[in-house]
Amino acid sequence: EVQLVESGGGLVQPGGSLRLSCVASGFTLSSHEMNWVRQAPGKGLEWVSYISSDGATIYYAGSVRGRFTISRDNAKNSLYLQMNSLRAEDTAVYYCARVFGNYFDYWGQGTLVTVSS
Amino acid sequence: DIQMTQSPSTLSASVGDRVTITCRASQTIGSWLAWYQQKPGKAPKVLIYKASSLENGVPSRFSGSGSGTEFTLTISSLQPDDFATYYCQQYNSLWTFGQGTKVEIK
Repeated sequence: EVQLVESGGGLVQPGGSLRLSCVASGFTLSSHEMNWVRQAPGKGLEWVSYISSDGATIYYAGSVRGRFTISRDNAKNSLYLQMNSLRAEDTAVYYCARVFGNYFDYWGQGTLVTVSS
Repeated sequence: DIQMTQSPSTLSASVGDRVTITCRASQTIGSWLAWYQQKPGKAPKVLIYKASSLENGVPSRFSGSGSGTEFTLTISSLQPDDFATYYCQQYNSLWTFGQGTKVEIK
């Protein structure tokens, strides 16, 4: 069974940092491109970042470029999102999602990031 | 960036109703469109990909159509489990979601 489990969320002050993790099981992570998607409370879905299966190609949404860094460790079946210079508007549930045919076929349950003083 | 606009934002319907949600892209995206269903507190679940292909395990009452810039998701006979929020997503150029359509009980 394919599973994606995010962790690392929590309360952080504006300007602070957090590192999210997503552990994959039930499939070979190294065979799949991955993404992070977020959802602010009561709002819609926003794509955040993409990483290719080998980590060589990376894309970011404009709202996070220069502040967030996506990475992966295929040997550890893990995907990461390093978030720096956090702002109140980064408050959201963050989901990792597997790419299949360029759409997202499996999602984790999400981890909540709250940026507040 | 490609913008995705869904309509309506909210839809009130009864069990058994035929429901249609529309999604418009700001530029042509071919058939590179997916539809997702999301229930409160849960992750989104893919229903339709490539505009009209049904994801494995999704009931056949869900269908998608369209190409270019205009797309629709249709639920042929609304069931109690279908009350949720639906999102379209383009994947022609990176990824963009529509703002969502909440299907609520009339």
